[in-house]
Amino acid sequence: VQLVESGGGLVQPGRSLRLSCTVSAFNSGDYGLSWVRQAPGKGLEWVAFIKTKSLGGTTEYAPSVKGRFTLSSDDSESIAYLQMNSLKTEDTAIYYCTAVSPHLGFDFWGQGTLVTVSS
Amino acid sequence: QSVLTQPPSVSGAPGQRVTISCTGSSSNIGAHYDVHWYQQLPGTAPKLLLYGNNNRPSGVPDRFSGSRSGSSASLAITGLQAEDESDYYCQSYDISLNGWVFGGGTKLTVL
Repeated sequence: VQLVESGGGLVQPGRSLRLSCTVSAFNSGDYGLSWVRQAPGKGLEWVAFIKTKSLGGTTEYAPSVKGRFTLSSDDSESIAYLQMNSLKTEDTAIYYCTAVSPHLGFDFWGQGTLVTVSS
Repeated sequence: QSVLTQPPSVSGAPGQRVTISCTGSSSNIGAHYDVHWYQQLPGTAPKLLLYGNNNRPSGVPDRFSGSRSGSSASLAITGLQAEDESDYYCQSYDISLNGWVFGGGTKLTVL
């Protein structure tokens, strides 16, 4: 399983940005994909989750991003997109894409992509 | 403030044993959701260290072990080595938030 994030960069507050996560393949036990972020010098924060289409493709969001962020995937489920709207300075973080297993937790992680929200 | 509470830092000499606590509540660990632990070496992405409370993925030394009791969990590292110096995070699922929660992280220093 390999996960590669892209799309990070510098964006002004209030603007939008879309992150991508390219997935080589899901582990047989994985049932979805999550984004986790880490603000500079801070801990990990779960952001969003999407189940595989075979399990319904449903999504869940952390309260801090609900209504602003949208997680989706393409038909082949080889790319997941995190659409981030109405960005705030507190959204500045490294965003990691992770595979999720109900029994193993977040078993595979990408290398992360940095999002900086600043004027 | 994190939903799961960890000590900010712990330390130990090489060869010693250290433990890192992770305290939750009745909506996460206390609700019998599994606890997972992650290790994050400086400048790298987190890596799964323990899953399902006390199971090691392939490649993780048996010096690392975990336990869970009530609304708390702990990570134990025996025979401390210099390369264990890292940040450690606990994680569980929270039914009231309908999502995953992490501890604030614990920085392990090997003296």
